[in-house]
Amino acid sequence: QVQLVQSGGGVVQPGRSLRLSCAASGFNFSVYGMHWVRRAPGKGLEWLTVISYDGSYMFYADSVKGRFTVSRDNSKNTVYLQLDGLRVGDTAVYYCVKGYSRSIDFWGQGTLVTVSS
Amino acid sequence: DVVLTQTPLSSPVTLGQSASISCWSSQSLVHSDGNTYLSWLHQRPGQTPRLLIYKVSYRFSEVPDRFSGSGAGTDFTLKISRVEPDDVGVYSCMQSAQFPYTFGQGTKLEI
Repeated sequence: QVQLVQSGGGVVQPGRSLRLSCAASGFNFSVYGMHWVRRAPGKGLEWLTVISYDGSYMFYADSVKGRFTVSRDNSKNTVYLQLDGLRVGDTAVYYCVKGYSRSIDFWGQGTLVTVSS
Repeated sequence: DVVLTQTPLSSPVTLGQSASISCWSSQSLVHSDGNTYLSWLHQRPGQTPRLLIYKVSYRFSEVPDRFSGSGAGTDFTLKISRVEPDDVGVYSCMQSAQFPYTFGQGTKLEI
């Protein structure tokens, strides 16, 4: 069965960096695009970024463009999200999500990122 | 960016009855490939979201046929027939016709 196991996250001061990881199993990772989505406390879901199956293209939401970087290692079945220049407003649960037919299907368990001084 | 507006934001329902949730888009969700990319997600309390419906009306794997999606262009509906206890939670529409993908505010279904 499809599994997306996330790691990383935690508490960090404004301006600092974090890297989130998402290890995939149960499907042919190298043929699917992968997304990151977050939910801030008390708010709705916010799509952040997608990386194509081969890592050749990425697209970012304006809210994170220039600060967050998505990457993947198909040899390790893992997708990453590098979060730089973190702001208090980036506090949220971050999810990696598998792409499917230009939608998104299976979600990781989520990891909490708290940005606070 | 495409703005998705859901109504109602909260929906009390009776077990065995039907529920409908609407999702209006600020722009047409018809892609240049001819498909309309509107999905519905369900998040139970304490769980991660799961995909119910994609491309307006296609049920995802193992989604019961009590769930159905309809609509076109900018106006979409999720219908849940014969509501069961496990149907509680938040239902969100999502558009993937253009980047950035965007979500509706979510509708809380309460029994």
